[in-house]
Amino acid sequence: ETGVTQSPTHLIKTRGQQVTLRCSSQSGHNTVSWYQQALGQGPQFIFQYYREEENGRGNFPPRFSGLQFPNYSSELNVNALELDDSALYLCASSLVGGWGGINTEAFFGQGTRLTVV
Amino acid sequence: SQQGEEDPQALSIQEGENATMNCSYKTSINNLQWYRQNSGRGLVHLILIRSNEREKHSGRLRVTLDTSKKSSSLLITASRAADTASYFCATDKWAQKLVFGQGTRLTINP
Repeated sequence: ETGVTQSPTHLIKTRGQQVTLRCSSQSGHNTVSWYQQALGQGPQFIFQYYREEENGRGNFPPRFSGLQFPNYSSELNVNALELDDSALYLCASSLVGGWGGINTEAFFGQGTRLTVV
Repeated sequence: SQQGEEDPQALSIQEGENATMNCSYKTSINNLQWYRQNSGRGLVHLILIRSNEREKHSGRLRVTLDTSKKSSSLLITASRAADTASYFCATDKWAQKLVFGQGTRLTINP
């Protein structure tokens, strides 16, 4: 049990719709990262939030956006859903110190399985 | 894009045998971590090894890191049926922005 929880666990959406996924980070962690994992692949980094600001982004279009709240929980929003967005979405929380100098392990939630039809 | 490559892509062994998985990566790193994933669920953190470390142990797990060869290995000793899962290595250069390989699917046969 990592203390990182994601909701919902499963979701079915229609192409063109918008979706919001939620993640509550482990107590004491200040950083949340989001990953997309297509079937049979390794997770791909979407973006990271550190102290409520975006702190790095992977190769994903702007229709993938996010937020981090003062309690360090986070949302991932995807607009104009496409069939290829069907995947397992994982969030990970960690404690990152100033200048990236103190890094703990990244702990993952159970993921949200998104199916776009 | 994937930074690392795990080798082999799939491994099937008998219960009680040792399993070795390898990971290679392309650029310099700060940390390397190994994760386990059961049936497409969340990733379970196994072990973190820093770039200035060469070997770490945790229970039945042994991880080595060779930064000159940009490679790491995960050894699971005395395998059990419950070890059946996919195993991923993940590297980061700064602040836990992890870059994963494609994973090794490990099957332990009773």
